[in-house]
Parts: sequence; C-alpha cells; structure tokens
Amino acid sequence: AQSVTQLDSHVSVSEGTPVLLRCNYSSSYSPSLFWYVQHPNKGLQLLLKYTSAATLVKGINGFEAEFKKSETSFHLTKPSAHMSDAAEYFCVVSDRSGTSNTGKLIFGQGTTLQVKP
Amino acid sequence: EAQVTQNPRYLITVTGKKLTVTCSQNMNHEYMSWYRQDPGLGLRQIYYSMNVEVTDKGDVPEGYKVSRKEKRNFPLILESPSPNQTSLYFCASSQGSVNSPLHFGNGTRLTVT
Repeated sequence: AQSVTQLDSHVSVSEGTPVLLRCNYSSSYSPSLFWYVQHPNKGLQLLLKYTSAATLVKGINGFEAEFKKSETSFHLTKPSAHMSDAAEYFCVVSDRSGTSNTGKLIFGQGTTLQVKP
Repeated sequence: EAQVTQNPRYLITVTGKKLTVTCSQNMNHEYMSWYRQDPGLGLRQIYYSMNVEVTDKGDVPEGYKVSRKEKRNFPLILESPSPNQTSLYFCASSQGSVNSPLHFGNGTRLTVT
C-alpha cells in the first residue's frame, strides 16, 4: 500500500532564505506525487505534481520538487522565501492498483511553514 | 467563476441529529471526493466518486454516506453524528482522475456536541 511521510511538522525560515520541506513516500508502483498548499481558512491549492515525466518538477510561486526514486523522496524547495509563503503544505501520493489509479489520495500529515521577517 | 461550493461553512449540531453537507461544482468534473482534516493527521479521504452513480470508500468512511445522482453534486450525509466526527471537512473535484489538479471548496467546520 502507498503511504507518505512528511518529515517535519513545522519549519521556520527567514524571509529571503531557502525553503526545504521534506517528503518520503512508499509505493509498490511508480507513483503520482503532488504538493498542495493551504493558506489559513482556505481550501487547498495545487503547487505541483509529478506523474513520471521529468524528475525535476516546477510549480507555481517559484516552488519546485525533485523526484528521487532511489531515496523514495519528493522534497519541496524554493530558493528564497516570501512572507506570503507562510502556510501549511501537504505531500500527497495517489493510490495505485497495478498500473491504474484507484481514486484514493493519501495525504501526509502536513508541514507548517513559518516565515520570519 | 469555476468553483467548488460547500454549504454550510460552519455547523454546530448535537449527537444523533442527521445532517447533510452539500458540495457542488460548476466545472463538469467527473471526479469528486470528501476529506476530513484533523490536527496532526493531515487530510483523510472519506469517500470518492469517479463518475455519476459510482462511489467508493476512502480511508475513513465509517459513519458517513454519500450519493452521486448528478455530476455536479456530491453531498456528504451523517446519519447519526457523534462527537468524534467534529472536524473540518473539504470537498474537492477534478477533471478525469486523481492525476488532475484537485479543486477544493473552502471547507465546512462541523462541531458535534
């Protein structure tokens, strides 16, 4: 069965410094992976997704993530944090049965990003 | 405007009183799903629907029902709510499958006393 683990529940950075949010996954098959962001009192918004094309995926707002099969990781990065990046971030894997998606999505526990001025 | 609309945004109820949270999308999406969000647990999928009249259990379906009689609507029904169903609920939809971006509603905060 697929699973996803976000290694940090809380990350604090200063504005203008790099962001690293860590995500490890477990999957029997080549997974589809996503990062979503949730701003306070809002629904979730897709940042980026990996679906077996290029291993370095670029998303919105300057975020990117690299799929590393050997490390079963999909870490989210941004070169320079902005105050507006403060939010909760979720790593997500789609459940598969064989080569087909089952329709289930498995969310990590979330990482709260704090950006200090 | 393309959107997923949930109602109500806030709901306080008592144990055992049946309730329905509505979800409607105006994007002609095939896939719809319900999640609950609890602190420290992330989002957990309750039910999902790949198309009209097709629904399947997610990871935490106990105590919930859904129906998908038409493409745009996917209501979540709690026949006999209990305090452990106090949570923040999200409805989401996407075109085609889970590999397409999910569009989320703004959430329904439910309190069961």
